[in-house]
Amino acid sequence: NAGVTQTPKFRVLKTGQSMTLLCAQDMNHEYMYWYRQDPGMGLRLIHYSVGEGTTAKGEVPDGYNVSRLKKQNFLLGLESAAPSQTSVYFCASRDGTAAPPQHFGDGTRLSIL
Amino acid sequence: SQQGEEDPQALSIQEGENATMNCSYKTSINNLQWYRQNSGRGLVHLILIRSNEREKHSGRLRVTLDTSKKSSSLLITASRAADTASYFCATVPYYGNNRLAFGKGNQVVVIP
Repeated sequence: NAGVTQTPKFRVLKTGQSMTLLCAQDMNHEYMYWYRQDPGMGLRLIHYSVGEGTTAKGEVPDGYNVSRLKKQNFLLGLESAAPSQTSVYFCASRDGTAAPPQHFGDGTRLSIL
Repeated sequence: SQQGEEDPQALSIQEGENATMNCSYKTSINNLQWYRQNSGRGLVHLILIRSNEREKHSGRLRVTLDTSKKSSSLLITASRAADTASYFCATVPYYGNNRLAFGKGNQVVVIP
């Protein structure tokens, strides 16, 4: 049982480049989340999805887009990467019951030069 | 916005000692959760305590919740080197969206 899988694990981009981070979960979870984690800070929510075909903005959505075309996948896109987006990105999922714990992937470490 | 704030930020203890971390929050909550993060890994859920609960145990973990003070504590008893990690509290608001709001984390180092 893989749980939540994130690809890639590491990536270096130049300012202005675009890329897509992929999150896949095999637990049939309804809810999926994208967070970013910066040094000395907790996780901040970028975007989330409450089911296939739905997305919503979190706390820090600017500069990112997301899509949830399939229930098991949640994609995070950076259209024009900026150095301020250098961070570790985590994907998480949970089922639809009331406030259960979230299951996290191991993160994507992204550096923007 | 960051809801939980842990205190202290960093803790270094000897193996076998107890480790205590505190978390404070600002708004009414449905529940509070504690997560562990090992270096280079994702967060792992440890324990959830609901707003109508005052104390909860799971193995060597003990969590307390004081809603009047809007604070929680996580106690790890008889610590082991494998407990070395960062620990985060996260709150789910009483009203609204069930989204987790994370604190900044406590780094705990257990010295063998």
